[in-house]
Formats: sequence, structure tokens, C-alpha cells
Amino acid sequence: EAGVAQSPRYKIIEKRQSVAFWCNPISGHATLYWYQQILGQGPKLLIQFQNNGVVDDSQLPKDRFSAERLKGVDSTLKIQPAKLEDSAVYLCASSLGVAGIYEQYFGPGTRLTVT
Amino acid sequence: SQELEQSPQSLIVQEGKNLTINCTSSKTLYGLYWYKQKYGEGLIFLMMLQKGGEEKSHEKITAKLDEKKQQSSLHITASQPSHAGIYLCGADRYNTDKLIFGTGTRLQVFP
Repeated sequence: EAGVAQSPRYKIIEKRQSVAFWCNPISGHATLYWYQQILGQGPKLLIQFQNNGVVDDSQLPKDRFSAERLKGVDSTLKIQPAKLEDSAVYLCASSLGVAGIYEQYFGPGTRLTVT
Repeated sequence: SQELEQSPQSLIVQEGKNLTINCTSSKTLYGLYWYKQKYGEGLIFLMMLQKGGEEKSHEKITAKLDEKKQQSSLHITASQPSHAGIYLCGADRYNTDKLIFGTGTRLQVFP
């Protein structure tokens, strides 16, 4: 079974530039998550999708971050414009779960450096 | 303030030694997950605990959840260099699949 795929693995941009990350979850997984992990901290949930609908985006800085999962499969996360404090690893995860407790499978992450 | 407190923040042990990592919440949890993360990589699922008093083991790693479902421990027996990494506890508080994570415990194992 293929795991969660993410690209790119690394990205370096200047502040005020835009960047996009892509995630392809495990086939058949209804739920997709984007997390932000700042160095030395645990991951923080940014947005949760169930199929192509948003379940929770309460911690997404909507003035600069956007995410979509148009066909209920892969997803993109965009930052526009980027700030220095956006430097972090962006992790995508997926799970079977619609309700109850299901294991979340994580991708390798995209390491973003904003200079 | 952190909703999940992990301790210690870092741990350096000699190969073969046992060690314990703790994860504490001020509120009752619906489920508790343990993950391992290698530097620059994603999280690898270790174990999930849901019932008060539950204990699970896999190879040399044992995780326990207390009866109140507010504290969990991860115990590694006879540590090996392959156990090195960052251990993260994640909690589902409301049965929504949304996890909050602790800050992690960085484990180093030297020969």
C-alpha cells in the first residue's frame, strides 16, 4: 500500500512570495489533514477535510493560507504571501476515519524556509 | 499553555538501558496516540490507547493509559540506537479525529 505522498520535500522562498504544497493521501482515505510543525514543537492542525468538505479550519490563518481538496482526493495548501514565521515543516496526514478513532498516516512533510 | 505536557524534553541513554517518557493532560482524553519522528521525516504510528488502564506492547515498546485517561507513559526496554528519534504523544479529546500534540521528547541512544 502506497503511503501519503507530499511534494516538494523542501522549499526556500523569500518573504512575501507565494508557495504551494501538494498532498496525495492513501487511496480510500476519506479524511485529510494539514499540520504545521515549527522546529522544536509538536504538529499543529491547520485544516481537516472529510472527502472534499472542510471539517475544521479554525487554526488556519485565512488571511494568507488557503487549502483545497476539490475532488476529495489530493489536496493543495497555499501560503500567499509568506512571512518569516511560516518557516516550518508542513505535514499532510490521512485516515479512514469519518467518526471514531482511526490511525492517521503521515507523509514525509515539506520543509519550508522563508528568508 | 500546552494542553499536552511531555517529559522529559530530551533523553540521552546508553544502549541497553530502559527508559520512560510521560504525557500528561489536564483534561480527560478520548484517545491517546504515540508517534515516532525521525529528523526531517513524517510521523510513524506506534500505538493508540483508548480505554482507561489500557496497556499495549509492540516489540520492546509498551504504552499505558491511566484509569482517568489523563496520563500516558511510553516505556522502552533495552534501548537500541534504532529507537533514537522524537517521540510525540497526540490526543483526541472529543472523538473527532483531530489531534493535539505534545512538544515531543528527543531520545538519543549511544552505544
